[in-house]
Amino acid sequence: DSGVTQTPKHLITATGQRVTLRCSPRSGDLSVYWYQQSLDQGLQFLIQYYNGEERAKGNILERFSAQQFPDLHSELNLSSLELGDSALYFCASSPRTDTETQYFGPGTRLLVL
Amino acid sequence: GQNIDQPTEMTATEGAIVQINCTYQTSGFNGLFWYQQHAGEAPTFLSYNVLDGLEEKGRFSSFLSRSKGYSYLLLKELQMKDSASYLCAASSFYNQGGKLIFGQGTELSVKP
Repeated sequence: DSGVTQTPKHLITATGQRVTLRCSPRSGDLSVYWYQQSLDQGLQFLIQYYNGEERAKGNILERFSAQQFPDLHSELNLSSLELGDSALYFCASSPRTDTETQYFGPGTRLLVL
Repeated sequence: GQNIDQPTEMTATEGAIVQINCTYQTSGFNGLFWYQQHAGEAPTFLSYNVLDGLEEKGRFSSFLSRSKGYSYLLLKELQMKDSASYLCAASSFYNQGGKLIFGQGTELSVKP
């Protein structure tokens, strides 16, 4: 158990819908990272927040957005969902923003039908 | 550009030693991570190299050569439970933000 929690574990929805994935970092960690893992793409970095501020951005679609709240939990919002958005979404956390070990949550499995 | 290459799959025998290689090209490179991932589960941290050389941790060792853009993960005394995907990830830090750039993973099958 890494100490990172994610909800929900599984999500099934339809194309065109919007969903919110939630992540709570390990106690004391200020950085949260979001990754997408699909079968053909491997783990892809989406976005990083540090203490409420966006710090790094990867290949995140415009239909996706994220934020980190004052209590340091983070939410990833996915809208206008397409079949290709079906994937495992992982959240990871680390104490600071420079490159230390990132600890991953159990993931949210999203299925878009 | 940013690129991480590692073999797609490997097979080894229980009790043996296996070496998984990784080459990388990353801007803002800070260090090299190895993670283990069982199917459908979260990646779990195995090792981190920031300086050149070998880091040993029990049955697992990892090596880094920054000048060659090369790393390997060495697994000794293989056990059946070591069957998993092994992910090489380069850490990249710039503009006060950091991320991990992952390879596609090496699927290791350990056979009796």
